[in-house]
Amino acid sequence: GQQVMQIPQYQHVQEGEDFTTYCNSSTTLSNIQWYKQRPGGHPVFLIQLVKSGEVKKQKRLTFQFGEAKKNSSLHITATQTTDVGTYFCAGPPGNQFYFGTGTSLTVIP
Amino acid sequence: DTEVTQTPKHLVMGMTNKKSLKCEQHMGHRAMYWYKQKAKKPPELMFVYSYEKLSINESVPSRFSPECPNSSLLNLHLHALQPEDSALYLCASSQSVGGRQPQHFGDGTRLSIL
Repeated sequence: GQQVMQIPQYQHVQEGEDFTTYCNSSTTLSNIQWYKQRPGGHPVFLIQLVKSGEVKKQKRLTFQFGEAKKNSSLHITATQTTDVGTYFCAGPPGNQFYFGTGTSLTVIP
Repeated sequence: DTEVTQTPKHLVMGMTNKKSLKCEQHMGHRAMYWYKQKAKKPPELMFVYSYEKLSINESVPSRFSPECPNSSLLNLHLHALQPEDSALYLCASSQSVGGRQPQHFGDGTRLSIL
């Protein structure tokens, strides 16, 4: 069945350090979405990537979709304490919608 | 502020009780979803409704019964739940199914089964 794996599972960084999470799917995805879930909160949509090799930026966040549309990454430059949370990639094979395993980010002030 | 409203926020029930979770959205979205999320795990898709009709049931036990009375409302009826059903239940909506639209999530209902 569909699997979307993310690494690392957990990441602790000092404030100001960079952070990257990687997302790998066992099948080709038509698009990939990224969500952030703060502790005690609900997933919040960040961005969607559709094209092979696409790169999008949101301030300090850079998102990339792989050429084969089976992997993606999220890079945060100079982390801040507001970046704390779990980052999920998610993609659809058909009408289903599978979340990746998630990367939990802790930022140490 | 979330545009998807879920009630109640917390629910404690016994294994013999019957209760319902409610979800409402007024964004004109035609797809609505129920997810179950255990601590430190990703949301797991349970049900998908498209234009008020059930389009996906991810092999969910029959003790969970979804209902979509109209395009803005989604209910999840609970009966004879087990302790392992304790989790955060999230409702979401999107413009359409197919995974090509962002999903908007409610705050969830934190369910505890005694």
